[in-house]
Amino acid sequence: NAGVMQNPRHLVRRRGQEARLRCSPMKGHSHVYWYRQLPEEGLKFMVYLQKENIIDESGMPKERFSAEFPKEGPSILRIQQVVRGDSAAYFCASSTTQISRGGGYTFGSGTRLTVV
Amino acid sequence: KNEVEQSPQNLTAQEGEFITINCSYSVGISALHWLQQHPGGGIVSLFMLSSGKKKHGRLIATINIQEKHSSLHITASHPRDSAVYICAVKRDTGNQFYFGTGTSLTVIP
Repeated sequence: NAGVMQNPRHLVRRRGQEARLRCSPMKGHSHVYWYRQLPEEGLKFMVYLQKENIIDESGMPKERFSAEFPKEGPSILRIQQVVRGDSAAYFCASSTTQISRGGGYTFGSGTRLTVV
Repeated sequence: KNEVEQSPQNLTAQEGEFITINCSYSVGISALHWLQQHPGGGIVSLFMLSSGKKKHGRLIATINIQEKHSSLHITASHPRDSAVYICAVKRDTGNQFYFGTGTSLTVIP
């Protein structure tokens, strides 16, 4: 039973390109959370999704960022027209149920995005 | 001001020492997590607490809900414990976690 799988582990993009980050939750987990860790800063919540639904995107920048969790396949965090300030580690976590109900919570290894 | 404050920010210990990392929070919570992050690595969830105390091997985590404070203890520390330890709280309203900035622990042989 593999854990939360994120790919790629490292991603380099030139300014203006698109970045696509993938997260496959643990088997049986239907809740996905995306977090961003900027250099020298703590983790910040971005978005919470269930299958085919965005539940809470209060942490997502209003422009260029989008997330989805389709019925089949991994969750995707998409960043359009990347800028240097998007360089960060992006972590995905998944859970069986909403965390407030005590569901198990597992992190992926992260994707390190570097914008050059 | 951050909702979650950790101390110390950096900690260096000799192998075998007893280590304590502290976390204070200012919001109502439903759960608190202690996480471990190795340099360049992923994040591992060590504990999830909503009350009392939990123990796993050489790691002990406690929480005092009234005082809004949690501690992570490492007994008989070892160089492989060197990592960043992060406190995260799940608010009792909403869906997101709030994270401390982490405590960077270095255990010297």
